[in-house]
Amino acid sequence: DAGVTQSPTHLIKTRGQQVTLRCSPKSGHDTVSWYQQALGQGPQFIFQYYEEEERQRGNFPDRFSGHQFPNYSSELNVNALLLGDSALYLCASSWDVNTGELFFGEGSRLTVL
Amino acid sequence: GNSVTQMEGPVTLSEEAFLTINCTYTATGYPSLFWYVQYPGEGLQLLLKATKADDKGSNKGFEATYRKETTSFHLEKGSVQVSDSAVYFCALMNRDDKIIFGKGTRLHILP
Repeated sequence: DAGVTQSPTHLIKTRGQQVTLRCSPKSGHDTVSWYQQALGQGPQFIFQYYEEEERQRGNFPDRFSGHQFPNYSSELNVNALLLGDSALYLCASSWDVNTGELFFGEGSRLTVL
Repeated sequence: GNSVTQMEGPVTLSEEAFLTINCTYTATGYPSLFWYVQYPGEGLQLLLKATKADDKGSNKGFEATYRKETTSFHLEKGSVQVSDSAVYFCALMNRDDKIIFGKGTRLHILP
């Protein structure tokens, strides 16, 4: 049983560009959450998707957007990249958000030059 | 708002030593509390949790007790092993189902 998979694992962009990160949730999970983890910090909640709708959102600007597909996979899009967007982006899936048990992927490390 | 504060790392211990990693929280209402762990080269994974006051979560020899009076959820283990070397994150979840993480504590266990 595959866990949460993310792609790409590493990527480098320049300021002003746009990036799309992808996530496939663990089998049987229907909820996907995205987190940003800066170096030496804990993960910061970006947003959560359930039934193809954004269900919750953290304190991130509109440059951060997402999508969930009918097969529950998800994308995170970031427009007009800033140097400060350099971070590890984590995807987490769950089958019941009320449990608080998230299953994380290994992340996509984004470097903005 | 909701927040989690945990002790700064890195924490370095010898094998078989006693471990405590402190965690305190600020939240409205009665959040659920968690410890997540990130082993080298792996994704974050849930280590243990507690959903109400005085609950004790436990797993793999680790324990943490939900203390409402001190708003704390300290992680303890009686005898650590080299394989416990990892980054440990304290976290909370309130009624909005958002999970808020602390900054993490890196633990090094020396053989």
